[in-house]
Amino acid sequence: GAVVSQHPSWVICKSGTSVKIECRSLDFQATTMFWYRQFPKQSLMLMATSNEGSKATYEQGVEKDKFLINHASLTLSTLTVTSAHPEDSSFYICSARDGRTGLTDTQYFGPGTRLTVL
Amino acid sequence: AQTVTQSQPEMSVQEAETVTLSCTYDTSESDYYLFWYKQPPSRQMILVIRQEAYKQQNATENRFSVNFQKAAKSFSLKISDSQLGDAAMYFCAYRSYDNYGQNFVFGPGTRLSVLP
Repeated sequence: GAVVSQHPSWVICKSGTSVKIECRSLDFQATTMFWYRQFPKQSLMLMATSNEGSKATYEQGVEKDKFLINHASLTLSTLTVTSAHPEDSSFYICSARDGRTGLTDTQYFGPGTRLTVL
Repeated sequence: AQTVTQSQPEMSVQEAETVTLSCTYDTSESDYYLFWYKQPPSRQMILVIRQEAYKQQNATENRFSVNFQKAAKSFSLKISDSQLGDAAMYFCAYRSYDNYGQNFVFGPGTRLSVLP
């Protein structure tokens, strides 16, 4: 149980275009999902926290108009990188918090999405 | 704000041997959770083990065990009978106990190599 999927696993796009990344909890309801960014050989950096049905909470320094997050259902959150530029190239990872009693403290991670902006 | 430190950027261990990865953290909270996650070359983050701070007993999961020293704010991971598949980046993570601190604070990671 507690499987999180991400789609796509990798994407290459041209500068100026927008890219949408999906994060799904497959076998549980995720009341909260998290979006991280990871640069090569570095740790995970939290970008934003999204709760189902409400606006995402962005970390300091993360542009909310550039990284649009939507958490429309208990099993799906999307991250849209708008007007992507080469500096947005990175590995994006989502995680989901299992809302079931006794499991709310653990996050389960998706496999990540590698974004390359040309 | 909480911080997590992993002082060993890289470690290596011989196959079948035991290795210990260090993690220290700083917090003023009394209740919290601690985790070790593994990130193999596939980049998939995998939960290795979790510890609740209010439990004195060290968590164990098969070949993985922790040495949780609350007073010292230390949370080391011991891997016994190391296998080639254990080679990965290992991240220590902290999470506050209350619902407001839902996000994790990750350490910088330790890259573990397993030598055949």
